[in-house]
Amino acid sequence: SQKIEQNSEALNIQEGKTATLTCNYTNYSPAYLQWYRQDPGRGPVFLLLIRENEKEKRKERLKVTFDTTLKQSLFHITASQPADSATYLCALDRDDKIIFGKGTRLHILP
Amino acid sequence: EPEVTQTPSHQVTQMGQEVILRCVPISNHLYFYWYRQILGQKVEFLVSFYNNEISEKSEIFDDQFSVERPDGSNFTLKIRSTKLEDSAMYFCASSELVGVGETQYFGPGTRLLVL
Repeated sequence: SQKIEQNSEALNIQEGKTATLTCNYTNYSPAYLQWYRQDPGRGPVFLLLIRENEKEKRKERLKVTFDTTLKQSLFHITASQPADSATYLCALDRDDKIIFGKGTRLHILP
Repeated sequence: EPEVTQTPSHQVTQMGQEVILRCVPISNHLYFYWYRQILGQKVEFLVSFYNNEISEKSEIFDDQFSVERPDGSNFTLKIRSTKLEDSAMYFCASSELVGVGETQYFGPGTRLLVL
């Protein structure tokens, strides 16, 4: 079955630096990959989607890369702010459901 | 901006009781989903629903679970006889279309606690 691994359970980054989160997947070749943000006690909020034929996607301070050879996506937040502190979920779409990774808890330290 | 809403936000029930979780998807969306998240674990797919039918369900979605669209706006998840292990956050989601790249919009969740 498909497996999604996110690099660490928690990541501490100093405010103003770039945070980089990793998502690796196995046993699947997704047509695209998504990143969501989840705050404590809340539902996931869609951030970015990248397709298999796209190497990179940007949205404001967010950047996602997708390497289908390595089966890996990197999620970057530049000029990080304390308000960026949340859990970030990598997700693959399979038919009409989404398969989520466990997430990485990001703490931006002031 | 339109959003998915869910009620109640919290539900406490005794083991063996039936619960109904309610969702109002975004109005022009045609596809509806339920996910759950046990505390500290990942968000897991339960079921997808389109055109008044279940289109896909996971192994978690056994005979204790059912979904319904009783009217033009609500989408419900019923758990017939709750078990302790059903305690989790339950998220409803909806999407306009289905398929590659179609974004699902999630509600705020219902926190279910089974005692």
